[in-house]
Amino acid sequence: EPEVTQTPSHQVTQMGQEVILRCVPISNHLYFYWYRQILGQKVEFLVSFYNNEISEKSEIFDDQFSVERPDGSNFTLKIRSTKLEDSAMYFCASSEQGIGNSPLHFGNGTRLTVT
Amino acid sequence: GENVEQHPSTLSVQEGDSAVIKCTYSDSASNYFPWYKQELGKRPQLIIDIRSNVGEKKDQRIAVTLNKTAKHFSLHITETQPEDSAVYFCAASKNNNDMRFGAGTRLTVKP
Repeated sequence: EPEVTQTPSHQVTQMGQEVILRCVPISNHLYFYWYRQILGQKVEFLVSFYNNEISEKSEIFDDQFSVERPDGSNFTLKIRSTKLEDSAMYFCASSEQGIGNSPLHFGNGTRLTVT
Repeated sequence: GENVEQHPSTLSVQEGDSAVIKCTYSDSASNYFPWYKQELGKRPQLIIDIRSNVGEKKDQRIAVTLNKTAKHFSLHITETQPEDSAVYFCAASKNNNDMRFGAGTRLTVKP
């Protein structure tokens, strides 16, 4: 069964540094998402992406965050200047026809630790 | 935006008993309600979902009910087994783009 893949599985960075989290969605999927989960808390929506542009973003997704689909397979999340509170598990997800029309498939996540 | 409340935060049952987890949502435009199971350190995995034009859906030991008028939906697990132990999240969505999760319920099934 095809899977959403994320790299790296764990990223450690210093406060103020830029990080790029990488995701390869399932190949025939058209809708892409980033979620984050602070340890022991709920999964929080960050951003959705369709047709090469952001469809919707949450209040968490401020100017420090950006997303990009640099080629036909990768979908990246960039945090420009990391803060301690950015430490969390970041999940990429994709859906063939969008939430509600087809299942949302999550990747295994990237655990980001900001020191 | 949508606000999803989930109860209880923890639930402990004896193997073989039933477990019920309840969620409420705030946005009456929400029309899609999935449930995810997340084992420790792993990704959330979809276990069942329901759309707003349906009141109940069942898949083997798992069922979900939806009350649109009251804006609440529930997950029912019957004949629980130790491997059902995990954190369960409800979620609500009204379009293709945005899905909001509840805070999660940690279910423990004691053998």
